[in-house]
Amino acid sequence: QKEVEQNSGPLSVPEGAIASLNCTYSDRGSQSFFWYRQYSGKSPELIMSIYSNGDKEDGRFTAQLNKASQYVSLLIRDSQPSDSATYLCAVITSSNTGKLIFGQGTTLQVKP
Amino acid sequence: EAGVTQFPSHSVIEKGQTVTLRCDPISGHDNLYWYRRVMGKEIKFLLHFVKESKQDESGMPNNRFLAERTGGTYSTLKVQPAELEDSGVYFCASSGHLSYGYTFGSGTRLTVV
Repeated sequence: QKEVEQNSGPLSVPEGAIASLNCTYSDRGSQSFFWYRQYSGKSPELIMSIYSNGDKEDGRFTAQLNKASQYVSLLIRDSQPSDSATYLCAVITSSNTGKLIFGQGTTLQVKP
Repeated sequence: EAGVTQFPSHSVIEKGQTVTLRCDPISGHDNLYWYRRVMGKEIKFLLHFVKESKQDESGMPNNRFLAERTGGTYSTLKVQPAELEDSGVYFCASSGHLSYGYTFGSGTRLTVV
């Protein structure tokens, strides 16, 4: 079992729709959760962080965390073609050394 | 504020040669990380410096890889001798705090032929 799992996609949504990206993790003691966006050939860019159960909103992005289910998600409202990228879920596990464990990433395609 | 800088951006070397990658973290960031993404796989941790000390090098693949961070500023990652399976994108990242997401550099794409 991988430590952090994501559906590789591609996830295709029409412009203006809500894109829902999901991630599960195996270490129940994990404390910090991140979503990175990576455009092709570019470096990962941090877009959201979440540390406690519930929702965290930032503009069109909402991160959701459910530690009991070991599940974290990212919702993108009013999706734009510029949101087309690979979204990486990353977790700092219970070791809390700052080391990020990444999922393989979900490719999102937003069609005009 | 300058971001994390890596160079070279690309490197093509022959199997058996040596390559040195460099990373300049954000000024004042004590934590510096190296990651690698090989084709088709997830980004994987290589090692973590706190200032000039290696905090965790559990992700280093083998002893052909040597990382240094003299003086706690920039870091180098040397691969000697390079093998075909070392090809991939090497990312450096820095952080001022362990639990916060950190900033990645643009990466070095290494191709070993």
